[in-house]
Amino acid sequence: NAGVTQTPKFRVLKTGQSMTLLCAQDMNHEYMYWYRQDPGMGLRLIHYSVGEGTTAKGEVPDGYNVSRLKKQNFLLGLESAAPSQTSVYFCASRWTSGYNEQFFGPGTRLTVL
Amino acid sequence: GENVEQHPSTLSVQEGDSAVIKCTYSDSASNYFPWYKQELGKRPQLIIDIRSNVGEKKDQRIAVTLNKTAKHFSLHITETQPEDSAVYFCAATFTGGGNKLTFGTGTQLKVEL
Repeated sequence: NAGVTQTPKFRVLKTGQSMTLLCAQDMNHEYMYWYRQDPGMGLRLIHYSVGEGTTAKGEVPDGYNVSRLKKQNFLLGLESAAPSQTSVYFCASRWTSGYNEQFFGPGTRLTVL
Repeated sequence: GENVEQHPSTLSVQEGDSAVIKCTYSDSASNYFPWYKQELGKRPQLIIDIRSNVGEKKDQRIAVTLNKTAKHFSLHITETQPEDSAVYFCAATFTGGGNKLTFGTGTQLKVEL
């Protein structure tokens, strides 16, 4: 099993450009999450999904959109990138029931110039 | 919304000493409290977790305690080793569906030889 994977690993954008980050998991998890990590601020939830075809806003959703067309994939889109979106982005997934662990992907380092 | 405060932000100990990291949470309905370890440039990984119906849990050199009345929980690492050096994050679930986690801002632990 590959677990949770993310593409790309690194990306540099110019202000106003758009891009999509892909998260994929092969553990048949229902729940998937997108976080951003900034120095001194921990991990903050952007959007999440509780199943295929569903999405919901997290703590810091502005400037981002998501889609969950397939159960194994969760896409994070930036329509018009801003320097404030420079961050490390982590995807995570987990099973539905109980208090199960969230499994994290390796992260995507995004720089917006 | 849910708030998780974590202290200290940095902690330096001598090899073999104990380290304690403390967190407080705001949502009295929180019922799951994981701790993640993140090495430099790596993804967060679960090291221990505790449910609200348990006061203490131990796994070798790592233990977590929970005081529901005071709404705080702590991570204890005994006999610290250089490989324990990393950033540690506490987290708590909060109500609203999706089993979402709110993370603390992290503690940079340095174990010195």
